[in-house]
Amino acid sequence: EVQLVESGGGSVQPGGSLRLSCAASGFTFSNTWMHWVRQAPGKGLMWVARIKGDGSSTNYVDSVKGRFTISRDNAKNTVYLQMNSLRAEDTAVYYCGKDLHIAAASHWGQGTLVTVSS
Amino acid sequence: QSVLTQPPSVSAAPGEKVTISCSGSSSNIGNNYVSWYQYLPGTAPKLLIYDNNVRPSGILDRFSGSKSGTSATLGITGLQTGDEADYYCATWDTSLSAVVFGGGTKLTVL
Repeated sequence: EVQLVESGGGSVQPGGSLRLSCAASGFTFSNTWMHWVRQAPGKGLMWVARIKGDGSSTNYVDSVKGRFTISRDNAKNTVYLQMNSLRAEDTAVYYCGKDLHIAAASHWGQGTLVTVSS
Repeated sequence: QSVLTQPPSVSAAPGEKVTISCSGSSSNIGNNYVSWYQYLPGTAPKLLIYDNNVRPSGILDRFSGSKSGTSATLGITGLQTGDEADYYCATWDTSLSAVVFGGGTKLTVL
């Protein structure tokens, strides 16, 4: 059974940093693209980033480029989202997802809440 | 402002059929596969359709997807109150080198 468990969310002041983790199990992690998406309060889903199975390729939404970094440790079956220079507009529930095909993720974690506020 | 355009809301009665549209451009829908998600805030998104019209295992055939040119459509038949949720289309945007989502459509089953 595929399982994705996010952790690392919390409250942080503007300009601060957080690192989200997503522990995966139940599939061949190292062969699978992984995604992060988020939902801000009252807003729709927004894709944030993705990383190739071997970590050799990444993509980001423009609004987080230069501030967020997606990475993975295939030995630990874990994908990370390092978030720096956080802004109030980054406040959201963040979900990690297992890629099925390009823009399709077949499984998602339960989400972790990030709150950026002074 | 989302790259993909969806109607903010749709509604229909139980048992009826509803369609949700998703409009894009040649840099996204026109040349890439479309996916559809069902989402209730605070819960994990649920993949309903991928590759324009393929249902993942476990998704009922009440849900269908189609694509024509730079637009895609999600169809839901035999509406149930449990189908009330937000629905999102998504695809790859070649110009942005990013996955893009529609703004979401809230389905109300009257």
